[in-house]
This record gives sequence, structure tokens and C-alpha cells, in this order.
Amino acid sequence: EIVLTQSPGTLSLSPGERATLSCRASQSVTYNHLAWYQQKPGQAPRLLINGVSNRAAGVPDRFGGSGSGTDFTLTISRLEPDDFAMYYCQSYGSSPLTFGGGTKVEI
Amino acid sequence: QVLLLQSGAEVKEPGASVKVSCKTSGDSFTNFYFHWVRQAPGQGLEWMGIINPSGGGTSYTQKFQGRVTMTRDTSTSTVYMQLNGLRSEDTAVYFCGSSHTIFGVSPYWGQGTLVTVSS
Repeated sequence: EIVLTQSPGTLSLSPGERATLSCRASQSVTYNHLAWYQQKPGQAPRLLINGVSNRAAGVPDRFGGSGSGTDFTLTISRLEPDDFAMYYCQSYGSSPLTFGGGTKVEI
Repeated sequence: QVLLLQSGAEVKEPGASVKVSCKTSGDSFTNFYFHWVRQAPGQGLEWMGIINPSGGGTSYTQKFQGRVTMTRDTSTSTVYMQLNGLRSEDTAVYFCGSSHTIFGVSPYWGQGTLVTVSS
């Protein structure tokens, strides 16, 4: 099982700033099977990124994913008010799928 | 595209069982795989397992082996998650999600079902 560790736990930023979220895996993630989700209170997760860097349909290009092996990054180039939320990375492709503990991006 | 509609909130006593449903509409039911993910209050996301509606095959994470059963009804395009032997730690919102590939990412999600375990 791949254990994912996200940092920081909380990121306090202002609209217009750049956000950099980290996800570290306990072992190498194969076939770039690393995804990112956004979740707001009371809502289901929303898929942002799959395959490390591929934006899901309708996701603005200010969201970008990068990384390889065990170290991955989600970057939000210029935060908008709607971006303040929880973000989770996910390892997929084989059982069990696993999620990181999340990073809260707050104002 | 597929739309997922889950059943309503449940309150159960410790030791009881709960069965949550996830009804799908839109694209063909058997074109997707269905995941169950739960989220305890104030906590992160936890993947529980997956069901292939085509043949009913399942895979559960070890933590829930022996306590969870995922089933499907192809006549109503509905998948179900039953959790037995409920304890207070099972209080959570349970989400169904669907993916195009087995063990794939989930672009589509239900709205979540709150299950509260309390005496």
C-alpha cells in the first residue's frame, strides 16, 4: 500500500498569490498514477488532475500538477476566492487506492 | 457522463448494519466501475473498495474485509454498500464515485450519505 504524506497541513495565502502543495509517496508511484482532488465543505471531492499533470475537464489552467517517482506538487498559479478549499492527492491504478491527509488552503 | 444519486442519511445503533445505495443515470451503467469512499467528521478521505457492475466482482481494502459488502442491481442501475457491525468510528459521510477504468480516478461522485452510529 502506498502511503501519501501531504504538506503543509494548512497554507494561509491571499487571493492572487501562488500556492504550492506537496505530496510525498512511501514508494514510487508507477505509470504516473497520481491524482489531485479539491473538496469544499459539505461537498463531494472534485477531480482536478490525473496522471500527475493532466487537468480534468473544465479545470482552469491556473491549476498545474508536476512530479515523478515519490514527489509530486500541485501548483495554483494565482489563487482566486473559489480556490480556498481542501486538496487531496490520490494514488490509483491498483488496490488499495490511497489518499493523502490533505492540505487546507485558507485565506 | 454519469449522475450518481445516493440514499438519505441514516442513524444506526452500534452493532447494526447499514446499506447505502447509489443510483446512476446517464451513460451505460456497465461502462463504469464504482468506488466507495468515506470521510469521518473533520477527517480525510478513505477508500473502501470497488465494484465492477458488469460481473459484480469486488475488491475491498483490508481494513473493511469481512465487514463490507458491495453489490449491484443492473435492472435499476444501482450499486449498494453494506457495512456490518457498526461502531461509533464508522460515523462518516459515505460517497460513491465512478471511474472509467478499474482502480481509476473518479470524475463523478454522488452527493454523500451521512451515517451516524450512536446509541
